[in-house]
Amino acid sequence: QKEVEQDPGPLSVPEGAIVSLNCTYSNSAFQYFMWYRQYSRKGPELLMYTYSSGNKEDGRFTAQVDKSSKYISLFIRDSQPSDSATYLCATSGGSNYKLTFGKGTLLTVNP
Amino acid sequence: GAGVSQTPSNKVTEKGKYVELRCDPISGHTALYWYRQSLGQGPEFLIYFQGTGAADDSGLPNDRFFAVRPEGSVSTLKIQRTERGDSAVYLCASSLDGGLNYGYTFGSGTRLTVV
Repeated sequence: QKEVEQDPGPLSVPEGAIVSLNCTYSNSAFQYFMWYRQYSRKGPELLMYTYSSGNKEDGRFTAQVDKSSKYISLFIRDSQPSDSATYLCATSGGSNYKLTFGKGTLLTVNP
Repeated sequence: GAGVSQTPSNKVTEKGKYVELRCDPISGHTALYWYRQSLGQGPEFLIYFQGTGAADDSGLPNDRFFAVRPEGSVSTLKIQRTERGDSAVYLCASSLDGGLNYGYTFGSGTRLTVV
């Protein structure tokens, strides 16, 4: 079992839809949780960052962490075609610098 | 510079050859990381530098891989006797310090193809 599991999709939604992206992880030592967005042939770009459990909101994006079930989520409201990208969840714990990534979910938002 | 710069952006090499991949981090960032991203996978950790020294090289897959950062800025990832399985995108990232509080900034990567 990989330390971070993420459904690779692909996921295709119409413009304006609410998108839900999810990951599970196995290591209870993980304390830092991140979502990165990666456009084709570009490096990952940090979208959301959460320490420990709880919710964090930034504009159209909401990140949730449930440490009891080892489940992390990213919600995108009013999705736009410009949101089309691969979304990677990432976690870290203990080392405080090394990230463990999921496989990424390819999202397409259709106009 | 404004971002993390990686050169070359693409590299095609023959099996058995030696390659060097370069990373220019954001000015002032003391921490530098190399990750490898295979097709359809998330990035996997290779090595972490704090200043000039490799603080954690536990992700390097074998002794054909080596990285240096002699002056605490530019880093070079070196791969000897390349194999087809080394084909991947090699990503470099930097951060202000070695913690995650400020996040990483990734470069666009070097796409290495071994034929």
